[in-house]
Amino acid sequence: ELKVEQNPLFLSMQEGKNYTIYCNYSTTSDRLYWYRQDPGKSLESLFVLLSNGAVKQEGRLMASLDTKARLSTLHITAAVHDLSATYFCAVEGASGTYKYIFGTGTRLKVLA
Amino acid sequence: GAGVSQTPSNKVTEKGKYVELRCDPISGHTALYWYRQSLGQGPEFLIYFQGTGAADDSGLPNDRFFAVRPEGSVSTLKIQRTERGDSAVYLCASSLTTGTGSTGELFFGEGSRLTVL
Repeated sequence: ELKVEQNPLFLSMQEGKNYTIYCNYSTTSDRLYWYRQDPGKSLESLFVLLSNGAVKQEGRLMASLDTKARLSTLHITAAVHDLSATYFCAVEGASGTYKYIFGTGTRLKVLA
Repeated sequence: GAGVSQTPSNKVTEKGKYVELRCDPISGHTALYWYRQSLGQGPEFLIYFQGTGAADDSGLPNDRFFAVRPEGSVSTLKIQRTERGDSAVYLCASSLTTGTGSTGELFFGEGSRLTVL
């Protein structure tokens, strides 16, 4: 059974600092997704990573995927308060199943 | 509508009652998903439809939970004999398609918050 783990679970950081959130998963998968959730809101798609070595960047966020290590990272550069949210990674359960398993989430708080 | 629409946004019911939650996906999206999210947790997979059929219902916790999508668009999640442990936010998501060329990106609705007293 696929397990998806994120760390850290909670992250409090100062504006302007850099940090990385990690997403590890337990079985082979080539597809990984990052979503953002604001308090009381639904999930918003951030990145779609569909192959080993994929790297996507949007503003201060950059996501990468290493399928051999079963690891994805979400790197935050020069954090700003607006990035405060909970970030989830999701992995396809097995290739072609279209069943997406979510991680536990990382709650990020950026302090002004 | 432009996005995934879920109703009701909030539902309070008593233990033992029957509940229906509705999801209207993005027009043209053939794949529809139901997830359940408890406070402080990630979304938990319940079921996914491709068209009218349930392609994978392995996440439904027990036979009190049932979902339908009779015309391949709107879906209803049905919960019988509700229990306090069913309290959660039920999220619906849709995706353009599954199969070759699909990215698998999910578009989520705002959720239906269910509270069982």
